[in-house]
Amino acid sequence: NAGVTQTPKFRVLKTGQSMTLLCAQDMNHEYMYWYRQDPGMGLRLIHYSVGEGTTAKGEVPDGYNVSRLKKQNFLLGLESAAPSQTSVYFCASRDYRDGSPLHFGNGTRLTVT
Amino acid sequence: GENVEQHPSTLSVQEGDSAVIKCTYSDSASNYFPWYKQELGKRPQLIIDIRSNVGEKKDQRIAVTLNKTAKHFSLHITETQPEDSAVYFCAASIPPGAGSYQLTFGKGTKLSVIP
Repeated sequence: NAGVTQTPKFRVLKTGQSMTLLCAQDMNHEYMYWYRQDPGMGLRLIHYSVGEGTTAKGEVPDGYNVSRLKKQNFLLGLESAAPSQTSVYFCASRDYRDGSPLHFGNGTRLTVT
Repeated sequence: GENVEQHPSTLSVQEGDSAVIKCTYSDSASNYFPWYKQELGKRPQLIIDIRSNVGEKKDQRIAVTLNKTAKHFSLHITETQPEDSAVYFCAASIPPGAGSYQLTFGKGTKLSVIP
């Protein structure tokens, strides 16, 4: 099992450009999440999904959109990148059962200039 | 919603000493408390977790304790080694059946073990 795979690993964007981050999991998990991590701020939830075709907003959703067309994939989109979106992005998944741990991907380091 | 406070934000210990990181949570419905370790440039990885029906859990040099009445839980690392140096995150989770699907994280503790 590969677990949770994120692509790309690194990306540099100019302000106003768009991009999509891809997350794929092979553990048949129902729940998937996108977090951003900034120095001193911990892990902040952007959006999450509790099943195929469903998405919900987290703590910091503005400027991002998500889609979950297939159970194993969760896409994070930036329509018009801003320097404030420079961050490390982590995707995670977990089983639906109570007390299941989060499994994280390796992260995507995004820089917006 | 749930709020998790974590202290201290940084911690330095001598190799061989013990380290303790404490977290408090706000929602009494929370019943699952994992701890994650994140080494520099890597992803967070689960190191230990505890459920609300258990007061303490140990795994070799690490242990977690839970006080439901006071709504706090702690991570204890004994006989620290340089490879324990990392950022540690606590988290709390309300059961999905209660309508929440999120883990709420503390802001992290940077642990430095000095050889």
